[in-house]
Amino acid sequence: EAQVTQNPRYLITVTGKKLTVTCSQNMNHEYMSWYRQDPGLGLRQIYYSMNVEVTDKGDVPEGYKVSRKEKRNFPLILESPSPNQTSLYFCASIRAGVEAFFGQGTRLTVV
Amino acid sequence: GENVEQHPSTLSVQEGDSAVIKCTYSDSASNYFPWYKQELGKRPQLIIDIRSNVGEKKDQRIAVTLNKTAKHFSLHITETQPEDSAVYFCAASQNYGGATNKLIFGTGTLLAVQP
Repeated sequence: EAQVTQNPRYLITVTGKKLTVTCSQNMNHEYMSWYRQDPGLGLRQIYYSMNVEVTDKGDVPEGYKVSRKEKRNFPLILESPSPNQTSLYFCASIRAGVEAFFGQGTRLTVV
Repeated sequence: GENVEQHPSTLSVQEGDSAVIKCTYSDSASNYFPWYKQELGKRPQLIIDIRSNVGEKKDQRIAVTLNKTAKHFSLHITETQPEDSAVYFCAASQNYGGATNKLIFGTGTLLAVQP
């Protein structure tokens, strides 16, 4: 079954404690992306990757890092989380020129 | 870069009525315009899309129209049903030769269908 798997689904952490949200896809897509969803602001792109070892900033990259060492995985790293990074995060894997498949979402709370 | 504006932010209709959501984009190089539906607590899922070489596309009760000159596109839902209640996102991107550029989303429309 084609899927995008994110972990964890829910996370509560404290300010400054490094964390990683994992994302894995089994569809061999080259393009992957991270979004954050906040009320009234829609889905804002954080980072995206057009292939292995190729990443680029989206519209809201500050405070985040990503890596793409292999095609299937695209982790999102928050090296020093702050309360303004409390949000719902979605990873997406995009079939070339067509559909974006989203992970289940990660609800992050930074206190 | 690309900017996508979406209106309205909320829309309430009576069951059986039609609903229209409108989006505008800024980058004339964008050529692919998908629409996603996000039910409460779930992930967004593609419901329909349109490419810049087409003016209209229909799939049962939903349709999308595109006006390249004005740089706007719209989602039309006819004979709305309670299960159409969700957040709808429009998006725009550039797809050439099978490669996808940044996929930029609008801010979403919360559609409520009243029974």
